[in-house]
Amino acid sequence: DAGVTQSPTHLIKTRGQQVTLRCSPKSGHDTVSWYQQALGQGPQFIFQYYEEEERQRGNFPDRFSGHQYPNYSSELNVNALLLGDSALYLCASSVKPGTRANYGYTFGSGTRLTVV
Amino acid sequence: KQEVTQIPAALSVPEGENLVLNCSFTDSAIYNLQWFRQDPGKGLTSLLLIQSSQREQTSGRLNASLDKSSGRSTLYIAASQPGDSATYLCAVRALTSGTYKYIFGTGTRLKVLA
Repeated sequence: DAGVTQSPTHLIKTRGQQVTLRCSPKSGHDTVSWYQQALGQGPQFIFQYYEEEERQRGNFPDRFSGHQYPNYSSELNVNALLLGDSALYLCASSVKPGTRANYGYTFGSGTRLTVV
Repeated sequence: KQEVTQIPAALSVPEGENLVLNCSFTDSAIYNLQWFRQDPGKGLTSLLLIQSSQREQTSGRLNASLDKSSGRSTLYIAASQPGDSATYLCAVRALTSGTYKYIFGTGTRLKVLA
């Protein structure tokens, strides 16, 4: 049973560029949440997708956008990259809220983004 | 607004010691609490999940307790080993603005000395 798969594992981009990160959820999960983790900090919630719509957003600017496909996989897009966007980006999958809300998250290994 | 705090921020112990990591949260209306382990530069590995109706969960040398009323959870690690060295994060799942999401603490960096 495959867990959460994220790609790529590492990425180096230049300021001002755009980046797309990808996530495939664990089998049986239909909800994807994205988190940003700066060095030495806990993960910060970016947004959550289920039923192909963004359901809630954390305190991140509109440069951060996402998408969820019918197969539940998801993308995180970041435009106009800043040095401060350098972080580990984590994807977590779960079941849709309201079904089995008490089940936990399964996290992927993350994508390390470095902006130079 | 739900906030999660973990104490201590860092901990260094000799191999074989039993230790306790602490997690506190400000709003007791949570659905569950999950403890994770994170190795440097890696993703999060789930250790234990405690439902809001439960008081504790155990897995091997790990035991996690939950006291919702006081907004506290502890992770107990028995007979620590160098392989336990990692950052331990706790996260509470709560209904926030109509959506369930996890809110994380900043973690406890554990180093177990051989």
